[in-house]
Amino acid sequence: EDQVTQSPEALRLQEGESSSLNCSYTVSGLRGLFWYRQDPGKGPEFLFTLYSAGEEKEKERLKATLTKKESFLHITAPKPEDSATYLCAVQAWYSGGGADGLTFGKGTHLIIQP
Amino acid sequence: DSGVTQTPKHLITATGQRVTLRCSPRSGDLSVYWYQQSLDQGLQFLIQYYNGEERAKGNILERFSAQQFPDLHSELNLSSLELGDSALYFCASSVAPSGGAQETQYFGPGTRLLVL
Repeated sequence: EDQVTQSPEALRLQEGESSSLNCSYTVSGLRGLFWYRQDPGKGPEFLFTLYSAGEEKEKERLKATLTKKESFLHITAPKPEDSATYLCAVQAWYSGGGADGLTFGKGTHLIIQP
Repeated sequence: DSGVTQTPKHLITATGQRVTLRCSPRSGDLSVYWYQQSLDQGLQFLIQYYNGEERAKGNILERFSAQQFPDLHSELNLSSLELGDSALYFCASSVAPSGGAQETQYFGPGTRLLVL
């Protein structure tokens, strides 16, 4: 069974204080690893997809990296508007092929204080 | 705005009742997914449709069913509702289950269901 564990559950940072969020995963064959941002009461907003170990993607103050067992979301010099819950999800290959739903972690609740 | 629309935004109903949630995917997307988000379970995949056909099932209860219509909108039907069914229900869409960027799932704003 695919599993995704995110840590920490919650993180409070000062504005400008860089940090990293962790996503550990267990999957039979990784089709893709996804990062989403979710604001309270809203739908998840797509950030990145990573497909293979060693891959990195960047968007503004965010950088996502991938190894064979985990992914990191690095936040550089965060601003209060970066406050949100960050969700990690995996999609696996199955013997029958085809797509399947995403398996999500429970998220990291990030608060950036001014 | 992801381009995925869901109605209604909020729904309050009683135990034992049946409700229908509606989703319109992004223009050009053929695949629709339904997810349930509760405080204790997090986001859980329920079911996927592709171009009108059921493609994959996750943790969907037998009391729940879904369909995708020729215009590609989808409906999730929840029946014999229980208190524990109270949750946020999200619809997501992707171009096609063909790998790469075409599989990226874009989520709608959700329907908040409260069962009393």
